[in-house]
Amino acid sequence: DTGVSQDPRHKITKRGQNVTFRCDPISEHNRLYWYRQTLGQGPEFLTYFQNEAQLEKSRLLSDRFSAERPKGSFSTLEIQRTEQGDSAMYLCASSVRPALNYGYTFGSGTRLTVV
Amino acid sequence: AQKVTQAQTEISVVEKEDVTLDCVYETRDTTYYLFWYKQPPSGELVFLIRRNSFDEQNEISGRYSWNFQKSTSSFNFTITASQVVDSAVYFCALSEGRPLIQGAQKLVFGQGTRLTINP
Repeated sequence: DTGVSQDPRHKITKRGQNVTFRCDPISEHNRLYWYRQTLGQGPEFLTYFQNEAQLEKSRLLSDRFSAERPKGSFSTLEIQRTEQGDSAMYLCASSVRPALNYGYTFGSGTRLTVV
Repeated sequence: AQKVTQAQTEISVVEKEDVTLDCVYETRDTTYYLFWYKQPPSGELVFLIRRNSFDEQNEISGRYSWNFQKSTSSFNFTITASQVVDSAVYFCALSEGRPLIQGAQKLVFGQGTRLTINP
């Protein structure tokens, strides 16, 4: 168990380009979450999956954003036609089926800079 | 609607002082969970504590203690005898629902408090 891995750690892209981030959760965790954190703010929920099913999407997730979790393992978050306002840290977390001591494990995030 | 407010944006204290980070929450649900996370400069969110809405007992873990008061919808975090390594951004978060039945729900975070411990 190496924790939640996110790739890349940093991404700089030009406005208008598409970017894709990857998250590898802890292997036995069935739920996977994406959050966005802008400078000086707390993380904001974007979407989450239970296995391969996307159960909830935030209104923050515009049409330019899409997330997938094929086969219920790793997940990808794609942003199309990036805008400067998309610059943020994108955090992934996973959670095991809850028991009395359930919790969430976060990755180190992908920092996106749109120039 | 669920909401978490951390009114203190930044706190700076001298090492060995005690410091309390405030957290006030709003929820219509009678079952919910409250969390504290630490975010060091590396960016990863480190879990500190989870408390459910039916357990108002205060908790102490070493130099850390938490005071949960449903009457004031607060879940405050105190660090006793602070150390430079405690410097980080701290987040309070809320999760509604019954995770044992519904599965782990999304977290709603406060804005965070940046804590600086000066030597």
